[in-house]
Amino acid sequence: GEDVEQSLFLSVREGDSSVINCTYTDSSSTYLYWYKQEPGAGLQLLTYIFSNMDMKQDQRLTVLLNKKDKHLSLRIADTQTGDSAIYFCAETTGSARQLTFGSGTQLTVLP
Amino acid sequence: DTGVSQDPRHKITKRGQNVTFRCDPISEHNRLYWYRQTLGQGPEFLTYFQNEAQLEKSRLLSDRFSAERPKGSFSTLEIQRTEQGDSAMYLCASSLETGSGTIYFGEGSWLTVV
Repeated sequence: GEDVEQSLFLSVREGDSSVINCTYTDSSSTYLYWYKQEPGAGLQLLTYIFSNMDMKQDQRLTVLLNKKDKHLSLRIADTQTGDSAIYFCAETTGSARQLTFGSGTQLTVLP
Repeated sequence: DTGVSQDPRHKITKRGQNVTFRCDPISEHNRLYWYRQTLGQGPEFLTYFQNEAQLEKSRLLSDRFSAERPKGSFSTLEIQRTEQGDSAMYLCASSLETGSGTIYFGEGSWLTVV
């Protein structure tokens, strides 16, 4: 079956780098996504990576994909207090390319 | 850029009542999705439209739930005879069929059944 797993919590100091990890199961996923959710809000698309790529960089965000191990990570450089939120990893599945999400990682940035 | 718009943002209803949520997708997007999110969990797929056709429904979508997209633009999600277990955030999302098919979400509609 489909299952996306993430660690539940991560705490970092302001200015440090954060690395959020995710494992997925569907090897046929064409795209993998990272979304950010602040309290009471919807999901904000942060970035995505196509399955034939190993890495994608977008300003402070770096996504690494290891297809062999079905492992995805999101690195946030120079983490700020405004980055405190829940981060969801998602894989695309099915003909409609609907998303299967992990349970989210709560990132807390300490001053 | 108006993004995905959902209405109402919050709804409190008594058990047994019917509720309806509306979603306006990004204007050129032909795919529309509904997801449900409960506290502490990631969103779960409910159903998907391509234009006006409802092409896929999750087993989570019980008979009390019905979704429509009559003209291939906005969509409604109706929950009949609400139960306390229906309390959740209902998220709408849209995408293009072509290209990366990146899925953009609205701000969600919170439902509390009392």
